[in-house]
Amino acid sequence: DAGVTQSPTHLIKTRGQQVTLRCSPKSGHDTVSWYQQALGQGPQFIFQYYEEEERQRGNFPDRFSGHQFPNYSSELNVNALLLGDSALYLCASRIQGEYGYTFGSGTRLTVV
Amino acid sequence: KNQVEQSPQSLIILEGKNCTLQCNYTVSPFSNLRWYKQDTGRGPVSLTIMTFSENTKSNGRYTATLDADTKQSSLHITASQLSDSASYICVVSLYGGSQGNLIFGKGTKLSVKP
Repeated sequence: DAGVTQSPTHLIKTRGQQVTLRCSPKSGHDTVSWYQQALGQGPQFIFQYYEEEERQRGNFPDRFSGHQFPNYSSELNVNALLLGDSALYLCASRIQGEYGYTFGSGTRLTVV
Repeated sequence: KNQVEQSPQSLIILEGKNCTLQCNYTVSPFSNLRWYKQDTGRGPVSLTIMTFSENTKSNGRYTATLDADTKQSSLHITASQLSDSASYICVVSLYGGSQGNLIFGKGTKLSVKP
C-alpha cells in the first residue's frame, strides 16, 4: 500500500520562473493539503483540496495555486518565484472527516 | 491565537540515555495531539496520536503523555539510539479552523551522540 508520493524530490529554479509540484495521496485518501517548511521551522499551511476544490487556504499570496484531479492527486503551482520560496514543500493526505494525516517525503525547492 | 510551543529548541544526549521533550498548546477547539519524527529533508512520520481522553500512548521506545487540563504534552524517549537523531514536532488538530486543521510546533532538534 503506497503512502503519499511527491515528485520531483529536488528542484532548482531561477527567480521569476514558475514551478509545478505533484502529489499522489495515500490509497483511499481523498483530501490533500500542502505545506511549506522553511529550514529549521515548522510546516506552514498553504491550502487544502477536497472534491477538486480549494477548501481552506493559509496566509500565502495568489502566486501559490493548486489543483486536485478526479483521482485525488494534486498539484501545487508557484508563479514568479522568489528567493524566499526556497523550502521543503510537503503534501499530506487524509480521508475527509478523519484525522489520520499521512505526509509525503516532500519536494526540496531551491530558488537561485 | 492557536499556538503550539515546544521546548527545548535543541537537545544533545548520549546514546543509551533517556530524554523528554515538551509541548505546550493553546488550541481550541482541541481534537487531538500528535508527535511526529522528521528526519532532515524528509516528511514527518507519525509516532503517536492522542485524543482528549487519553493520558498516555506508547510506541516502542516512545511514550507520549497528555494533560488536557494544563494543555501540556511530553514525548519521552527511552534508551536513545543514533537513529533517533531528528526533529520531533508536536502537532495539534482542531475541529474546523482555517489552517487545514493542524497547528504545528517548530520542533525540537534531537542529536544523539555515540
